[in-house]
Amino acid sequence: NAGVTQTPKFQVLKTGQSMTLQCAQDMNHNSMYWYRQDPGMGLRLIYYSASEGTTDKGEVPNGYNVSRLNKREFSLRLESAAPSQTSVYFCASSEPTHSYNSPLHFGNGTRLTVT
Amino acid sequence: SQQGEEDPQALSIQEGENATMNCSYKTSINNLQWYRQNSGRGLVHLILIRSNEREKHSGRLRVTLDTSKKSSSLLITASRAADTASYFCATGTSNSGGSNYKLTFGKGTLLTVNP
Repeated sequence: NAGVTQTPKFQVLKTGQSMTLQCAQDMNHNSMYWYRQDPGMGLRLIYYSASEGTTDKGEVPNGYNVSRLNKREFSLRLESAAPSQTSVYFCASSEPTHSYNSPLHFGNGTRLTVT
Repeated sequence: SQQGEEDPQALSIQEGENATMNCSYKTSINNLQWYRQNSGRGLVHLILIRSNEREKHSGRLRVTLDTSKKSSSLLITASRAADTASYFCATGTSNSGGSNYKLTFGKGTLLTVNP
């Protein structure tokens, strides 16, 4: 039982390059989330998916797109990376629905540097 | 925008001592959650307290919630070196219809427990 798995663990991009961050969970959770963590800023929600087939913007969605591929997988895409997107990205999931009483289960993060 | 704010930003104690971290927030909440993050890892859920609860315990953790003061505290008793980590509070809010649920994280308290 791996929980929430994120790939890659580390990535360096040049400005303007694109990439997709992958996330998969094996807990049969309906809701999945993408956060970014920056020093002194805490975690900020980029996008979330309350259930398979739906996605919604969070606090800082600009420059990102997401795909809820199926119930297990939720990917985050940077179409044209910018230095401001240098951050640590965390995927999370929750059970059973987008419920206010559900704790989040986090992956170990992707450390992205954009030069 | 930041909902929960932890205090202090950093705390250094000796093994065996108790550690207290505080969280203040601005708007009405459905629940408040505490998470731990070890260096280089994802966040791990510790405890959830609902808005109609005043105190919860889990092992060496004790969480209180004072909705009149819009504040919460996390107490770790008999701390160990392994408790060294960042601790985050997260506030769960929703609109009046109970939808549009959001979980907003604070910036965290860095706890160092010296052997």
